[in-house]
Amino acid sequence: GQQLNQSPQSMFIQEGEDVSMNCTSSSIFNTWLWYKQEPGEGPVLLIALYKAGELTSNGRLTAQFGITRKDSFLNISASIPSDVGIYFCAAFAGGTSYGKLTFGQGTILTVHP
Amino acid sequence: DGGITQSPKYLFRKEGQNVTLSCEQNLNHDAMYWYRQDPGQGLRLIYYSQIVNDFQKGDIAEGYSVSREKKESFPLTVTSAQKNPTAFYLCASSIALAINTEAFFGQGTRLTVV
Repeated sequence: GQQLNQSPQSMFIQEGEDVSMNCTSSSIFNTWLWYKQEPGEGPVLLIALYKAGELTSNGRLTAQFGITRKDSFLNISASIPSDVGIYFCAAFAGGTSYGKLTFGQGTILTVHP
Repeated sequence: DGGITQSPKYLFRKEGQNVTLSCEQNLNHDAMYWYRQDPGQGLRLIYYSQIVNDFQKGDIAEGYSVSREKKESFPLTVTSAQKNPTAFYLCASSIALAINTEAFFGQGTRLTVV
């Protein structure tokens, strides 16, 4: 089946540092989404990417839809303590998997003040 | 406010019981999804539905059942056949049959077998 390989699995950084995480797959996807989840809550959508090569920002967050449509990355600049959480990539495919949303395993982010 | 509502927030089940988790959305979305999340793990797809009266098995459908009688509602039943049901369950919805779409999540239901 389709899989998204997300890395790194976890990151421990100092406040003010930049963060980078990515997702790769052997399959082609039509939409890439990045979510943040805090303990005991549902994931919250951060950024949506619809077009290969697209680079989109949301405040200190920047994400890109890979040109091959098989990967995406998320960068967080100047991290702050409230950035702590689990970040997930997700993607919608086409073809016979149309409408099925696949998730990466998540990146656990810890920010030390 | 538009959104997705899951209830209850916490649910306790005895061995051998069936329990039903509620998911309601007022976003007018066609597609709805159920995911299971185990501690420290990603989200695994249980079932999804792109239209009323139709649904598809996801990657871990065994021991679960769903119905989609109304566009707004997609309840999940965890049956006694599910051997390890303790987990965090998440419901999501999106505009279906569209290439460019976003999925939004409810707050989750934490199910514990006692």
